[in-house]
Amino acid sequence: DIVLTQSPALAVSLGQRATISCRASQSVSTSSYNLMHWYQQKPGQQPKLLIYDASNLASSIPARFSGSGSGTDFTLTINPVQADDIATYYCQQSRELPLTFGSGTKLEIK
Amino acid sequence: EVQLVESGGGLVQPGSSLKLSCVASGFTFSNYGMNWIRQAPKKGLEWIALIYYDSSNKYYADSVKGRFTISRDNSKNTLYLEMNSLRSEDTAMYYCAKYDYGSYSLDYWGQGVMVTVSS
Repeated sequence: DIVLTQSPALAVSLGQRATISCRASQSVSTSSYNLMHWYQQKPGQQPKLLIYDASNLASSIPARFSGSGSGTDFTLTINPVQADDIATYYCQQSRELPLTFGSGTKLEIK
Repeated sequence: EVQLVESGGGLVQPGSSLKLSCVASGFTFSNYGMNWIRQAPKKGLEWIALIYYDSSNKYYADSVKGRFTISRDNSKNTLYLEMNSLRSEDTAMYYCAKYDYGSYSLDYWGQGVMVTVSS
């Protein structure tokens, strides 16, 4: 199985940049696609797709969210961070089954 | 608007069975693969099953293989998860999620249904 590693928590100030990383135990990229996706989960809610294929913004997601990376290293950036962004962020790979998720990064306000 | 609504959860004893449902609307259900993902209390997300749009292929996580069965009824726009031989470690919120064939991401999720396995 592909293991995805995320830091447990990140504290940032409102209006600043947040950078959340995800490292895969093996490449999740093909010759055409980077099969890494990012989700936001607020307390008591279901996860919501933010970014697909590493860098594509999902429908209705604000442009302050962006993603980058390829191979084994991926990053979700939120700039600027707003109070509404307080949540846990998960990466997920679809390069192979089983689909796997990172353990989540909880975004906190300094 | 895409909607996924799960039902069928509850409190059950170890060793018992339960069947979850997920009713879909707002998209052509019969064109898309569907997944079940679960989240134990205060824990992360765990994918547990995938079914193709036409039920031709089904895949399971090792943790549920042989105990859980994913199925669908395209005439009813409904996805199912039949869970047998339930264990305490199956206690979780269960989400259904639509599979986007373009990106292979999970682009829409239901609100979840809670399953508690306890004596």
